[in-house]
Parts: sequence; structure tokens; C-alpha cells
Amino acid sequence: QKEVEQDPGPLSVPEGAIVSLNCTYSNSAFQYFMWYRQYSRKGPELLMYTYSSGNKEDGRFTAQVDKSSKYISLFIRDSQPSDSATYLCAMSESTDKLIFGTGTRLQVFP
Amino acid sequence: KAGVTQTPRYLIKTRGQQVTLSCSPISGHRSVSWYQQTPGQGLQFLFEYFSETQRNKGNFPGRFSGRQFSNSRSEMNVSTLELGDSALYLCASSLGPGQDTQYFGPGTRLTVL
Repeated sequence: QKEVEQDPGPLSVPEGAIVSLNCTYSNSAFQYFMWYRQYSRKGPELLMYTYSSGNKEDGRFTAQVDKSSKYISLFIRDSQPSDSATYLCAMSESTDKLIFGTGTRLQVFP
Repeated sequence: KAGVTQTPRYLIKTRGQQVTLSCSPISGHRSVSWYQQTPGQGLQFLFEYFSETQRNKGNFPGRFSGRQFSNSRSEMNVSTLELGDSALYLCASSLGPGQDTQYFGPGTRLTVL
């Protein structure tokens, strides 16, 4: 079993939809949780960064961490075609040595 | 502020050769980490350097090595290349251990023939 599990998708939604992306993990020592967005042939771009449990909002993006369930989520409101990319969850015990999920490919169609 | 830069962006090598990849971190960042990304395994941690010292190492064979210079720039080397080493190699930088998260460069795409 992998330390971090993420549904690879693809997830296809219409423009304007609310998107929910999720990851589960097994290591209870993880304290730092991140979401990265990766466009084709580009490096991952940091979207959200959360320490411990709770919610964090940034514009159309909301990250949630539930450490008791070992479950993290990223919500994208009013999704746009430009949001079409692969979304990677990552986590670590410190901020070093990130453990990544396999990524969920998202397609937002007009 | 300029982001993480990696050179070269693309590289083609043959089995048995060796390769050196370079990474320049964001100005002021002193930690550099390397990751390998493949379709089958996703992003996997290779190693991390801070103050010219390797702090963490992932589960990769000794053919994979790296170093960091006094200006925080880093290089990674892969010797005796195998077909399975074909991947996108990503470098990420951060301010330092336990400080802030990591910011990635565009990667070097290595193809081994």
C-alpha cells in the first residue's frame, strides 16, 4: 500500500462546476500538506500549503485537512478551462522530503 | 524574483552513459531537493541538500548522486544509465530545512535509448 493514495482520474467537468480532489494517507506523522498543479511538460506549481488540520482558502481554491481521518481535499469553485491540469497532493513530516500522490488529471470543458 | 532554473531542459543519452543535471534555486533559498517523475511511479524523492550537505536520501541506487555548491546551486549525476532512468527530473528549492515549502523548477526531461 502506498503512503499516499490519490485517484488518477481523469476527472472531466463543465466550466463553472465545483471540483473536489482528494487524497488519503497512512502516515500519521505527516503534518504538512500541499497541493500542486502541473501543466503538461511543466514543473509542479504550488497552489495551497497547510500545516496540520483545518481549512485554508485562497480565491477559488479551498484546502481541507482532516488528520483524524487521514484525508485531505482540494475544492475548486467556478472551475475554468485554464484549471485543466494534473493536481498533485503532497505531504511530509517536516517540509522536507515530500511524499506525493500519483496526481489527478482534471479537464474542464467549456 | 526568478524561479528555480534547471539545465538542460532536454537530454538524450544511451545506456551505460552518465549524465549531470544542474539546478539553480530561487535567490535566497538554501535547500535544494531532487525528484524523479515517471508515469508509472509518479514523483519520487531522490535527495535533499542544505549547506552543501546531503540531509535526506530517497530509495534510489547509488548510481544517483548529487552535490551542492557554496552558492546553493546543485547538480545531480546519474551514472551507468539504464532505460528505466528515462524520466522528468525536478529540482525544488526552499528557504531551508523546516522553513516554508518547496518550489519546483520546470524539470529536465531525460531520455535513455
